[in-house]
Amino acid sequence: KNQVEQSPQSLIILEGKNCTLQCNYTVSPFSNLRWYKQDTGRGPVSLTIMTFSENTKSNGRYTATLDADTKQSSLHITASQLSDSASYICVVSANTGGFKTIFGAGTRLFVKA
Amino acid sequence: KAGVTQTPRYLIKTRGQQVTLSCSPISGHRSVSWYQQTPGQGLQFLFEYFSETQRNKGNFPGRFSGRQFSNSRSEMNVSTLELGDSALYLCASSPAGGFTGELFFGEGSRLTVL
Repeated sequence: KNQVEQSPQSLIILEGKNCTLQCNYTVSPFSNLRWYKQDTGRGPVSLTIMTFSENTKSNGRYTATLDADTKQSSLHITASQLSDSASYICVVSANTGGFKTIFGAGTRLFVKA
Repeated sequence: KAGVTQTPRYLIKTRGQQVTLSCSPISGHRSVSWYQQTPGQGLQFLFEYFSETQRNKGNFPGRFSGRQFSNSRSEMNVSTLELGDSALYLCASSPAGGFTGELFFGEGSRLTVL
């Protein structure tokens, strides 16, 4: 069964600290993996998109890694800011003849001053 | 460049009614996809349209339907509303295809069914 699991479910960190969010998937055959940031009441905004051959991709203070062998991805946030408080959603697409997109439940990050 | 525009932003309906939501994609984008987001289920894919044709469909009942016009604008319709249809409905556009390329989301239409 195609699944995307994210951990932790929620996380509280102090401003300026780093954190890492995890995404494990069982989606096959893998096409790409994306990380989105969603502020409360807003639409998701793309952070990174990675295909099978990519191990790391950065977008400012956000760095995503992908291990296609273990089917794991992580999103590392460096020097967190209050504006990083949001939900972070991992999305995996599979090419099953027709494309299938599976969304993780998200990690809710709270950055405190 | 204007972003994805969804209307209305908020609406309240009663059970049994129907609702139509609209989405205007980013200029030049030919793919429009729709998603339902609820606290319990997270984001779930409804369907994708490309050049006026439904290209992919999620696991939702036939009460959920959509269409795309020649200018790439899209509408989705939910008939015979149920309480469980209360959700944030998000639309996303993409230049070629939502499954391989980046998705640009609108702010969503928040539907409350009473």
